[in-house]
Amino acid sequence: EIVLTQSPGTLSLSPGERATLSCKASQSLSNRYLTWYQQKPGQAPRRLISGASNRATGIPDRFSGSGSGTDFTLTISRLEPDDFAVYYCQHYGDSPPYTFGQGTRLELK
Amino acid sequence: QVTLKESGPVLVKPTETLTLTCTVSGFSLSHATVGVSWVRQPPGEALEWLAHIFSNDEKSYSTSLKNRLTISKDTSKSQVVLTMANVDPVDTATYFCARISRVDYDLDYWGQGTLVAVSS
Repeated sequence: EIVLTQSPGTLSLSPGERATLSCKASQSLSNRYLTWYQQKPGQAPRRLISGASNRATGIPDRFSGSGSGTDFTLTISRLEPDDFAVYYCQHYGDSPPYTFGQGTRLELK
Repeated sequence: QVTLKESGPVLVKPTETLTLTCTVSGFSLSHATVGVSWVRQPPGEALEWLAHIFSNDEKSYSTSLKNRLTISKDTSKSQVVLTMANVDPVDTATYFCARISRVDYDLDYWGQGTLVAVSS
């Protein structure tokens, strides 16, 4: 089973700052099926980044994804008030379970 | 317009079987490049992937819950059903269904979720 470990658990930043969120896999994701989601309280998750680095339709270009193998990163270049939420990564590796990370809470400093 | 909507009981007793239905619109469950996944989220906790099913009836399950889960689909009704046997209070969660695309194996559209409590 591939375990995804997200860090930090909580990130406290101010609008305009840059956010860097990490997702580390316990085994290499050779197929790069690594997705980032944003979730706000009381809402369903929203897909942000697919295939490790492809922004989903309608997602602002301040969101970017990078990485391969076991190390993946979500970067938000200039935080806006609407970006404060919980972020999850999920893999679709070679076999189930297709786990999520435990999440990073991005909070207003 | 793609939509998914979960339905099912609000309250289930321990040891009972939970049956959840996901009704989809805007796409067909017979389409080769999409499927439906179930994901749950206990209150205040992280997301947990449960199962998925594709048009060719390919199914996958969470390894920890595999013995208790069954996923099926009725293409004519545009519905995907997830059953969970022998529920326990730790199964209390919001249950989401989401469309999965075979392009990037991502969950591109989500239902609003349904909160299920397990309690006697």
